[in-house]
Amino acid sequence: DAKTTQPNSMESNEEEPVHLPCNHSTISGTDYIHWYRQLPSQGPEYVIHGLTSNVNNRMASLAIAEDRKSSTLILHRATLRDAAVYYCILKGGGSNYKLTFGKGTLLTVNP
Amino acid sequence: DAGVTQSPTHLIKTRGQQVTLRCSPISGHKSVSWYQQVLGQGPQFIFQYYEKEERGRGNFPDRFSARQFPNYSSELNVNALLLGDSALYLCASSFNSGNTIYFGEGSWLTVV
Repeated sequence: DAKTTQPNSMESNEEEPVHLPCNHSTISGTDYIHWYRQLPSQGPEYVIHGLTSNVNNRMASLAIAEDRKSSTLILHRATLRDAAVYYCILKGGGSNYKLTFGKGTLLTVNP
Repeated sequence: DAGVTQSPTHLIKTRGQQVTLRCSPISGHKSVSWYQQVLGQGPQFIFQYYEKEERGRGNFPDRFSARQFPNYSSELNVNALLLGDSALYLCASSFNSGNTIYFGEGSWLTVV
């Protein structure tokens, strides 16, 4: 399975934008970039996914580098409820039926 | 619409016992997956079922088994429980095998 690299932790202030980076230099052409987040004591929550173009939804934006070797999840205005572990996951090819989680990035949001 | 529902939410078992965890997928979803999450780590894939057939299996011993019913609900069974099986067991569903996956809140299993 293609691997992703994320910072262990990041910190932000409430109502400021947050940019969560992810490196995936071994991504293949059929891999989609998925982001999930997990709040304390809850199951993972789907955030967003994309293939090549930048994507926006009500939760976040996903910016994908032109060579697809990195991506950035953007939370436009962080709230205390956004404090969670954020996972960047490649999904596709022969293993597109499952998610391979790494350690993710623990986001702390300060009031 | 209801999301993925799991039961029980919490349970305590003794070493050597057997446990059955249950999952109901989102309405219309035909694929169900199971994940194990040990404290401090990301979820690890156990099984995926689609249309009642096993389509994928992670690196777990044969003590772990699962099945999917005609209504697409699923059960995860773990036999001969070990202390190391203590974890959050997550069920996830998707419309078909390759679509976006949605998780339930999980079943917390403690083995003593």
